[in-house]
Amino acid sequence: EIVLTQSPGTLSLSPGERATLSCRASQSVSSYLAWYQQKPGQAPRLLIYGASSRATGIPDRFSGSGSGTDFTLTISRLESEDFAVYYCQQYGSSPVTFGGGTKVEIK
Amino acid sequence: EVQLVESGGGLVQPGGSLRLSCAASGFTFSSYWMHWVRQAPGKGLVWVSRINSDGSSTSYADSVKGRFTISRDNAKNTLYLQMNSLRAEDTAVYYCARDSPGVPRDWWGQGTLVTVSS
Repeated sequence: EIVLTQSPGTLSLSPGERATLSCRASQSVSSYLAWYQQKPGQAPRLLIYGASSRATGIPDRFSGSGSGTDFTLTISRLESEDFAVYYCQQYGSSPVTFGGGTKVEIK
Repeated sequence: EVQLVESGGGLVQPGGSLRLSCAASGFTFSSYWMHWVRQAPGKGLVWVSRINSDGSSTSYADSVKGRFTISRDNAKNTLYLQMNSLRAEDTAVYYCARDSPGVPRDWWGQGTLVTVSS
């Protein structure tokens, strides 16, 4: 199965700063890469699919890039509601797999 | 509005069984592939199983293959996960999630907690 490695494990930033999250796949997933946001006690929410397409209702401060094995989620200017855990997921190969997550916390 | 509501979780002894349900509303359930994804306490997300729109095709993670069965009743707009031979490592919040065409897991339920313990 494809292993997704997310880095860093924790990102400490202030509101208004730019966040850059990385997801690396153990083999190519083409563009079949999604990003999810999860807040404590809540279900995950889809942010990005197809590596760079924003899901319905997702603000444009969230953007995704990459293809093959290296992917990036960028939050251009952090707002208070963006502090959460972010997971990448590949769906190009069975089984679907998730990365271990990156926690974006308030500095 | 799309809604997915899981139920059926609870405390069960090792070796026991449980059936989870996911009631769907706000969309044409019979047209969508559905998934179960779980999350152990304090841990990350793990895909468990998926079923196609008419129930004719299913897939499972190796960790649950032979013990869990996914099914659906399109007349009742409900997804199921029958879990047998439960182990302590199956303890998790179980989420049902919907696939839209070309969009993976675009809508999730709130989850139901399964605790396997003696």
